[in-house]
Amino acid sequence: DTEVTQTPKHLVMGMTNKKSLKCEQHMGHRAMYWYKQKAKKPPELMFVYSYEKLSINESVPSRFSPECPNSSLLNLHLHALQPEDSALYLCASSQDLGLKSTDTQYFGPGTRLTVL
Amino acid sequence: GQNIDQPTEMTATEGAIVQINCTYQTSGFNGLFWYQQHAGEAPTFLSYNVLDGLEEKGRFSSFLSRSKGYSYLLLKELQMKDSASYLCAVRGFDNYGQNFVFGPGTRLSVLP
Repeated sequence: DTEVTQTPKHLVMGMTNKKSLKCEQHMGHRAMYWYKQKAKKPPELMFVYSYEKLSINESVPSRFSPECPNSSLLNLHLHALQPEDSALYLCASSQDLGLKSTDTQYFGPGTRLTVL
Repeated sequence: GQNIDQPTEMTATEGAIVQINCTYQTSGFNGLFWYQQHAGEAPTFLSYNVLDGLEEKGRFSSFLSRSKGYSYLLLKELQMKDSASYLCAVRGFDNYGQNFVFGPGTRLSVLP
């Protein structure tokens, strides 16, 4: 099983709303990632969690707040977003942080976010 | 930091062979990945190279030359379903720890 699930598939929110994106994997992976992808652009890394601790924060605005409640779950809390934050948000997981050479990231289907 | 370059678009004919190139500059190289992404879908893993040489996986092969900062993805016996974006991604290390950066992607169109 190499499945990473994400909910919701689509989300439309206003600039004053608070919402959360959820990601789940049951592969026993210890590293989880959030990416943002704009149309016709590659995914851009936002956050990395390793063993439920934030490992990498790629200078993401504070209106995005990640949370890792346990090793299988990863959330992204959204608050006071801007229209330019509209994008596909992808979650990924890997066995570990890639310190071993064969770690591969497996991606979820993404959440298509529209900010009005 | 990292700098990764790929051709923006390529076109090929069904049944043909196509080679998609990726050049990169990075510190602390620790692997190069190829992903396929269909429009509106998540990237799916295709191949991984960390040592020089060719890795073959069915219709797909990937090559790496670390000294040249160069990789390619070779797709044989092209099918219509191979029309997608192909992303090269490089894992490396910098002063802040590990990083994982995608190239701009190559949009491949397979024509009948």
